[in-house]
Amino acid sequence: NAGVTQTPKFRVLKTGQSMTLLCAQDMNHEYMYWYRQDPGMGLRLIHYSVGEGTTAKGEVPDGYNVSRLKKQNFLLGLESAAPSQTSVYFCASSYSGATRESDFGPGTRLTVT
Amino acid sequence: QKEVEQDPGPLSVPEGAIVSLNCTYSNSAFQYFMWYRQYSRKGPELLMYTYSSGNKEDGRFTAQVDKSSKYISLFIRDSQPSDSATYLCAMSEGEGAQKLVFGQGTRLTINP
Repeated sequence: NAGVTQTPKFRVLKTGQSMTLLCAQDMNHEYMYWYRQDPGMGLRLIHYSVGEGTTAKGEVPDGYNVSRLKKQNFLLGLESAAPSQTSVYFCASSYSGATRESDFGPGTRLTVT
Repeated sequence: QKEVEQDPGPLSVPEGAIVSLNCTYSNSAFQYFMWYRQYSRKGPELLMYTYSSGNKEDGRFTAQVDKSSKYISLFIRDSQPSDSATYLCAMSEGEGAQKLVFGQGTRLTINP
């Protein structure tokens, strides 16, 4: 099992550009999550999905969109990147939704200039 | 005021020392308490999980929850250089990860 993988690992964007971060899991997990991690802020939930075709807003959803067209993939989109979106983005997945069962990906480091 | 407060450190101790990491919280509805370990440039991994109050031990690691004081702790005995990482506490009212609130993380270095 590859577990949770994230693509790309690093990216530099200019303000106003768009991009999509891909999260993939091969564990047949129902639940998937996108977090961002900033210094002094811990991890904050952006969006999450409780199953294929469903998405919901987390704590900090503004400026992001998500899609879960396939059970194994969860995409995070930035339509018009801003410097405030410079962060490390983590994807996680779990089978039952219980917090203790979440597996995290290795992260994507995004810099917006 | 943040719901979960954690001293970011950094904390540096000699190998073999007992390490104490702590978090305080303000939401009395939190029932699930987690500690994650995050190595540099990696994703967090669950270290320990406690439901409600009490202690839980796993090898060299002990988690304590004091709901009356809204205070949780993680103790590491016989610390090793491989324990050097950032430790994040996290809490939730229910089992759903969508309700998980993280602390800022404490960066720990164990010196050989």
